[in-house]
Amino acid sequence: QVQLVESGGGVVQPGGSLRLSCAASGFTFSTYGMHWVRQAPGKGLEWVAFIRYNEKNNYYTDSVRGRFTISRDNSKNTLYLQMSWMTVEDTAVYYCATDSQDTETIDYWGQGTLVTVTS
Amino acid sequence: QSALTQPRSVSGSPGQSVTISCTGSRGDVGTYNYVSWYQQHPGKAPRLLIYDVTKRPSGVPDRFSGSKSGNTASLTIFGLQADDEADYYCCSVAGRFTYVFGTGTKVTVL
Repeated sequence: QVQLVESGGGVVQPGGSLRLSCAASGFTFSTYGMHWVRQAPGKGLEWVAFIRYNEKNNYYTDSVRGRFTISRDNSKNTLYLQMSWMTVEDTAVYYCATDSQDTETIDYWGQGTLVTVTS
Repeated sequence: QSALTQPRSVSGSPGQSVTISCTGSRGDVGTYNYVSWYQQHPGKAPRLLIYDVTKRPSGVPDRFSGSKSGNTASLTIFGLQADDEADYYCCSVAGRFTYVFGTGTKVTVL
């Protein structure tokens, strides 16, 4: 079965950087597009970024474009999110999730990792 | 990329039906038949309930039903059960490989 395990969350100061990882198993990772979605404490879901299975062309929500970079290592079945110039508004649980191969939807989700930006 | 609009909360008694609306624009819900719905219990990851406006993944009860008219999608939960008490989010494609979520709706089972 699909398993996604995020790691790398923690506390970072405003202006700082952090890299999240998402270890995938139970499916052929190299053939799936992948997403990052975040959820600020007590708030709703926000789509953050998407990377295609072949790493060609990445897509970002406006608020993180130029600061965050999504990447993947298909040899390690791992998805990454490099976050830089972080602000308090980036405080959230970050989920990695799979993109359906059959249609345009986000289907399987990890359990998330908490990122807190505070001075 | 403005969030889709959902009611903050809806409630119903066990066995009743509730409907959650999700209003977007011509740039998302109104153009694409790629609306999905997610259920999220407290402290848990979201779970896909509905995709492509009306389709259910295997394992999702047929008590959950999706529809769309114009710029508004809807999720109806028939035969409300205690375990349905959760937050529900809609999501729509908003362009090539970009998505937008709804503001979320808390469903309370009275």
